[in-house]
Amino acid sequence: TQLLEQSPQFLSIQEGENLTVYCNSSSVFSSLQWYRQEPGEGPVLLVTVVTGGEVKKLKRLTFQFGDARKDSSLHITAAQPGDTGLYLCAGGPRGGTDKLIFGTGTRLQVFP
Amino acid sequence: DTAVSQTPKYLVTQMGNDKSIKCEQNLGHDTMYWYKQDSKKFLKIMFSYNNKELIINETVPNRFSPKSPDKAHLNLHINSLELGDSAVYFCASSQDPYQGYEQYFGPGTRLTVT
Repeated sequence: TQLLEQSPQFLSIQEGENLTVYCNSSSVFSSLQWYRQEPGEGPVLLVTVVTGGEVKKLKRLTFQFGDARKDSSLHITAAQPGDTGLYLCAGGPRGGTDKLIFGTGTRLQVFP
Repeated sequence: DTAVSQTPKYLVTQMGNDKSIKCEQNLGHDTMYWYKQDSKKFLKIMFSYNNKELIINETVPNRFSPKSPDKAHLNLHINSLELGDSAVYFCASSQDPYQGYEQYFGPGTRLTVT
């Protein structure tokens, strides 16, 4: 069974702080996505990384795919209250199936 | 325009009842999905349809039956509801299930079984 463990599970920080969320697995993935979900809404795709070692930036968010394509990280610089939400990583498994494997989630709260 | 829509948003019902959730996408995608998100926010796939054909059927009780009348719609019917069915159910769609997994989610249906 493929599992994606995210850490930390919960994170409460002040506005302006930096943070990193990790997404780890023992399995290799063909791609890795990050979603953000706000209360009462569905997850919204932030980014997809497909190449080992790939780094993508989205304003203050930096995403990295591990060299071995087993892990990923999300770094937020100078967090803002609008960054509050549930962050989910999701792996596209190798082998031709079309099933995304979602991570365990990280709940981020940014206080003004 | 809403890309992926679900109805109803909230559903409260008693054990043993039968209920349906409807989903529609206007993105022109070929593939649609149903996910269940439990109280710990863990999101797990239930079903996937590609051009009205069932392609993923996870270990889900037979009480759950998806139906896709056309590729823009995927409905979920649940028979004999149980307390453990309480969760948020999300519909999603993607362009191509075999070349990318970027999915677009609906707003969710919060099902409460009493």
